[in-house]
Amino acid sequence: GENVEQHPSTLSVQEGDSAVIKCTYSDSASNYFPWYKQELGKRPQLIIDIRSNVGEKKDQRIAVTLNKTAKHFSLHITETQPEDSAVYFCAAYNFNKFYFGSGTKLNVKP
Amino acid sequence: EAGVAQSPRYKIIEKRQSVAFWCNPISGHATLYWYQQILGQGPKLLIQFQNNGVVDDSQLPKDRFSAERLKGVDSTLKIQPAKLEDSAVYLCASSLTAADTIYFGEGSWLTVV
Repeated sequence: GENVEQHPSTLSVQEGDSAVIKCTYSDSASNYFPWYKQELGKRPQLIIDIRSNVGEKKDQRIAVTLNKTAKHFSLHITETQPEDSAVYFCAAYNFNKFYFGSGTKLNVKP
Repeated sequence: EAGVAQSPRYKIIEKRQSVAFWCNPISGHATLYWYQQILGQGPKLLIQFQNNGVVDDSQLPKDRFSAERLKGVDSTLKIQPAKLEDSAVYLCASSLTAADTIYFGEGSWLTVV
């Protein structure tokens, strides 16, 4: 089965700085990669996703890049704000299943 | 659009007792998932339904966990008897099909004491 590794496990940045979270996957058949944000006590919510036929996708301050050759994808958050503080999960999809990373706790310091 | 509904939100039980969680997916979503999320970890798939059939239950501890999705809509997850290590958030999720975006419910927080 697929194995998704996510780094770092915790990330602390100053407000206004950029944050980057990276995930690697093992199965080249994986073709869809969503990112979820989970605030404390809340449900995970989809913030951005990318399919394997695209190298980069952007939505305002959030972007995701995908390198199929190296089998990794990254979440980029620019101009971070305190409300970006949360746990972020990556996932990889193949053969009707989603495989989740272990999460990154992002702390944005005002 | 209404989201995935779960109940109860919080439950505290003693070990060896039983508990049941209920989930109502987004209308029209054929695929339903139950995930277990232990504090500080990512969601772990327990069982995946396609309509009312089981697609994957390879990580469901079948000696104590059971789940059903009668009529292909609502689902229940039962734990009997509970162990201390079952303390976790049980997330129900649904998607239009197995290849589509997953939408999560708020979760049912279980504490086993």
